[in-house]
Amino acid sequence: EVQLVESGGALVQPGGSLRLSCAASGFTFSSYWMTWVRQAPGKGLEWVANIKQDGSETYYVDSVKGRFTISRDNTKNSLFLQMNSLRAEDTALYYCARAGGRQSPLSYWGLGTLVTVSS
Amino acid sequence: EIVMTQSPATLSMSPGERATLSCWASESVSSNLAWYQQKPGQAPRLLIYSASTRASGIPPRFSGSGSGTEFTLTISSLQSEDVAVYYCQQYNNWPPSWTFGQGSKVEIK
Repeated sequence: EVQLVESGGALVQPGGSLRLSCAASGFTFSSYWMTWVRQAPGKGLEWVANIKQDGSETYYVDSVKGRFTISRDNTKNSLFLQMNSLRAEDTALYYCARAGGRQSPLSYWGLGTLVTVSS
Repeated sequence: EIVMTQSPATLSMSPGERATLSCWASESVSSNLAWYQQKPGQAPRLLIYSASTRASGIPPRFSGSGSGTEFTLTISSLQSEDVAVYYCQQYNNWPPSWTFGQGSKVEIK
């Protein structure tokens, strides 16, 4: 059974940093593109970042470019999102999701981890 | 950025009725369009991909159609467990700047 379990969400002050993790199991992690998607409270879904199977390609939504870094450790079946210079508008539930290939839907989602940016 | 627009914002229908949700793309996304269902307090679940292919385990009452810029999700006979927000998402452009619609909420009368 595919499982994605996010962790690392917290309350952080504006300008602060946070590192999210996603532990994957039930599939060959190194064979799939992985994605972070976020959802602000009461709002819709927003794609945040993608990473290729071997980590050699990464892509970001414009609003987080230069502040967020997606990475992965295939030896530990883990996905990460390093978030720096956090802003109030980054407050959201952050989901880890599994894509297939380069252009694929998001077949499996975790339950999310909540990031709150507030003073 | 490809803008995805969904209609209606909210749909209220009786059990057994046919529900039709629409999604428009600001430019062609070919058939690289997915639909997700998000029930209250839950993560999204993939329903439809490639515009019309049901994901594994999805009941046949859910169907998708369309290509290019206009897409439809149909629930042929609405069940109480279908109460949710439904999102469309394009995954066509590369490098990716994937975008979701704003969601359509389905309620039971």
